[in-house]
Amino acid sequence: NAGVTQTPKFQVLKTGQSMTLQCAQDMNHNSMYWYRQDPGMGLRLIYYSASEGTTDKGEVPNGYNVSRLNKREFSLRLESAAPSQTSVYFCASRVITDTQYFGPGTRLTVL
Amino acid sequence: QKEVEQNSGPLSVPEGAIASLNCTYSDRGSQSFFWYRQYSGKSPELIMSIYSNGDKEDGRFTAQLNKASQYVSLLIRDSQPSDSATYLCAVNNGAAGNKLTFGGGTRVLVKP
Repeated sequence: NAGVTQTPKFQVLKTGQSMTLQCAQDMNHNSMYWYRQDPGMGLRLIYYSASEGTTDKGEVPNGYNVSRLNKREFSLRLESAAPSQTSVYFCASRVITDTQYFGPGTRLTVL
Repeated sequence: QKEVEQNSGPLSVPEGAIASLNCTYSDRGSQSFFWYRQYSGKSPELIMSIYSNGDKEDGRFTAQLNKASQYVSLLIRDSQPSDSATYLCAVNNGAAGNKLTFGGGTRVLVKP
């Protein structure tokens, strides 16, 4: 039981490049979330998926897209990376009691 | 105005003392409250959740909730150097998606 896994762990992109961050959970949770964390800002919600087949915008969705591929997997795509998207990205999934469990994170640098 | 506010710290406490962390929130409809601990370079991990007014104790940790005053606090008793981390307060206002709003975190340093 790996919990929430994320790939890659680290990534460096040039401005304008695209990439997809992968997230998977093996806990049979319905809801999944993508956050970004910048110094002193706490975690800010980018997108979430309340259940398989649905996605909704969070607090900071601009510049991102998501896909809920199936119940286990929730990916985050940057179509044209910008330096302002340099951050640590966390994926989380939620049990029915509304506790969220986080993956190990992806450190992204956009040059 | 940020919806969930925390003092960024650092909060420096001697080993064995009590660390007291505070969090205020703006949405009166908030229903559930969480404290996460985050070590440097790691992901947040849940240490406490609280849903009703009053105190909730779990080992050395006590969460306190006062909905009328819109604050939630965390006490760490007998602080250990391993408690040195950033503590994030998170609030769920019960809206669709059960989204959490996080504060900026309080950095705690426990000195031997």
